[in-house]
Amino acid sequence: EDKVVQSPLSLVVHEGDTVTLNCSYEVTNFRSLLWYKQEKKAPTFLFMLTSSGIEKKSGRLSSILDKKELFSILNITATQTGDSAIYLCAVEGGSSNTGKLIFGQGTTLQVKP
Amino acid sequence: DAGVIQSPRHEVTEMGQEVTLRCKPISGHDYLFWYRQTMMRGLELLIYFNNNVPIDDSGMPEDRFSAKMPNASFSTLKIQPSEPRDSAVYFCASSKGTGMRGGSYEQYFGPGTRLTVT
Repeated sequence: EDKVVQSPLSLVVHEGDTVTLNCSYEVTNFRSLLWYKQEKKAPTFLFMLTSSGIEKKSGRLSSILDKKELFSILNITATQTGDSAIYLCAVEGGSSNTGKLIFGQGTTLQVKP
Repeated sequence: DAGVIQSPRHEVTEMGQEVTLRCKPISGHDYLFWYRQTMMRGLELLIYFNNNVPIDDSGMPEDRFSAKMPNASFSTLKIQPSEPRDSAVYFCASSKGTGMRGGSYEQYFGPGTRLTVT
């Protein structure tokens, strides 16, 4: 069965800390891995990764994929209270031809002032 | 662009009643997805459509759930009869086709419908 596992499930840090969120997967016909941030409403897109070893960066956030070891990490440096959210990892793949995202459980990040 | 539009935003109903959730995808997107999110199970894909045709409904929990997409700008998710365990946030998302590269695209999520069944 295809699965995506995130760790830790929850994390509490203080402003200025650096955090690393993990996502491991076992998904047939892997095509891409995506990271989303979910605050109070809908998930919003952060990154899409398709190739190993190429870091994607957006401000204080960065992510990298290892297709050999089947995992990805999301780093957030100099955290701010506005980074508090649920971070979702999703993998596109599975038995259907295309289009299906399999989500992990999410990591709930709380950044304290 | 208005983004993905869902209605209603909140729905409270009694067990046994029929519930209909609605979604309008982003214009030009040819994939539409219905998800359910709960604390226990996280975000689960229920069903998705490509060009209005259901492609994968393996996530639909049981016969009480049905989804339709009569045209490119409208989809419904219906629960009949509803049960308390259906209480969740239901998201609709849409995306463009995958193109020649054969995959890898971004899904845009609607604001969700929070369903409470008492």
